[in-house]
Amino acid sequence: SSELTQDPAVSVALGQTVRITCQGDSLRSYYASWYQQKPGQAPVLVIYGKNNRPSGIPDRFSGSSSGNTASLTITGAQAEDEADYYCNSRDSSGNHLNVVFGGGTKLTVL
Amino acid sequence: QLQLQESGPGLVKPSETLSLTCTVSGGSISSSSYYWGWIRQPPGKGLEWIGSIYYSGSTYYNPSLKSRVTISVDTSKNQFSLKLSSVTAADTAVYYCACHMGTAQFDYWGQGTLVTVSS
Repeated sequence: SSELTQDPAVSVALGQTVRITCQGDSLRSYYASWYQQKPGQAPVLVIYGKNNRPSGIPDRFSGSSSGNTASLTITGAQAEDEADYYCNSRDSSGNHLNVVFGGGTKLTVL
Repeated sequence: QLQLQESGPGLVKPSETLSLTCTVSGGSISSSSYYWGWIRQPPGKGLEWIGSIYYSGSTYYNPSLKSRVTISVDTSKNQFSLKLSSVTAADTAVYYCACHMGTAQFDYWGQGTLVTVSS
């Protein structure tokens, strides 16, 4: 099956912009989705498709993709954005209905 | 708005079968829009997709777990279930049920349930 690779940890100063990346062969064929997970809580979808936000997700969250890399950008990071972020997509190898997740990125807001 | 709720034993003995059920409310599990999936998260680690099922019964499993996993659906009860056989301590995790489109975006998640494998 395919793999998605994320940096384990990223930090950003309060109010600044941060980009979290996700790399993998499957991203050449499929869009990534992005999830925010705070301690003790279930993940929450924040970005899906080309660059779509579910209802209730602030517009400081945006997504983009190029080649085998998908990115989640937080423009003007807030203290409440400190969380773990995961990407996922469909698997481009084997059964294309299979799902893969990245290992997650811990975002610290300084 | 869909709501999902996991239920099942919080403690399972090694070599036995882990069984969990996810009850869906706020919509029909027979909807052609969604796949119904299980994801797990070992303590302090990342998310791992276990498998998904379509309301028709078609199943898709993580290749690394396929030999031990069975996911089924009961449309009459608006539920779907997970069975993971021959468990070891490595299967200790928070287990989430969730639903996703064919695009693999998981729109709705249950709150998760911790399952510990221990004698």
